[in-house]
Amino acid sequence: QKEVEQNSGPLSVPEGAIASLNCTYSDRGSQSFFWYRQYSGKSPELIMFIYSNGDKEDGRFTAQLNKASQYVSLLIRDSQPSDSATYLCAASFSGGYNKLIFGAGTRLAVHP
Amino acid sequence: DAGVIQSPRHEVTEMGQEVTLRCKPISGHDYLFWYRQTMMRGLELLIYFNNNVPIDDSGMPEDRFSAKMPNASFSTLKIQPSEPRDSAVYFCASRSGTGGYEQYFGPGTRLTVT
Repeated sequence: QKEVEQNSGPLSVPEGAIASLNCTYSDRGSQSFFWYRQYSGKSPELIMFIYSNGDKEDGRFTAQLNKASQYVSLLIRDSQPSDSATYLCAASFSGGYNKLIFGAGTRLAVHP
Repeated sequence: DAGVIQSPRHEVTEMGQEVTLRCKPISGHDYLFWYRQTMMRGLELLIYFNNNVPIDDSGMPEDRFSAKMPNASFSTLKIQPSEPRDSAVYFCASRSGTGGYEQYFGPGTRLTVT
């Protein structure tokens, strides 16, 4: 059973703080990992993609991948109330970018 | 581009009725995906197409569900007969096959089966 696990939260952080979201996956064959943001009542939108071990930075977002430990994390620096959403971690199985397995999502709440 | 278009946005139907959900992918995208999202099971891939051909339907829950893609700009997901446990948000997504890894999601169809 291929699984992606996330803490459902809510994760509550003050405005300006760093939010740290974590995800573990079961299949060592997974090659690519995605972080999607989903606002309540809206569709998921991609914010980060990572496939190499280490860190990948894009603006206030940093994705970290550790394939040996089978975990992926997302750091959001200088968190804003507009970052309040559910963050979905996804892993691709069987290679490619098509067959994605999503975690249940972590709800983030950034309070002023 | 207009993005992925889905219709209807909301559907309420009675158990036993046939439901058809529609999707228009982003023009030029080679891949089309159907997902279902519920509180209990999260976001699940049901089926995906490449160049209008179904590639993997292992996520389709049972024979009551069927999906077609008659051309590059249109796909349907049909549930017949519908059951209350089919109530969910159904998303369609598309992806470019030429160097693109991102799946772009449509706004979703919220289905309620009473």
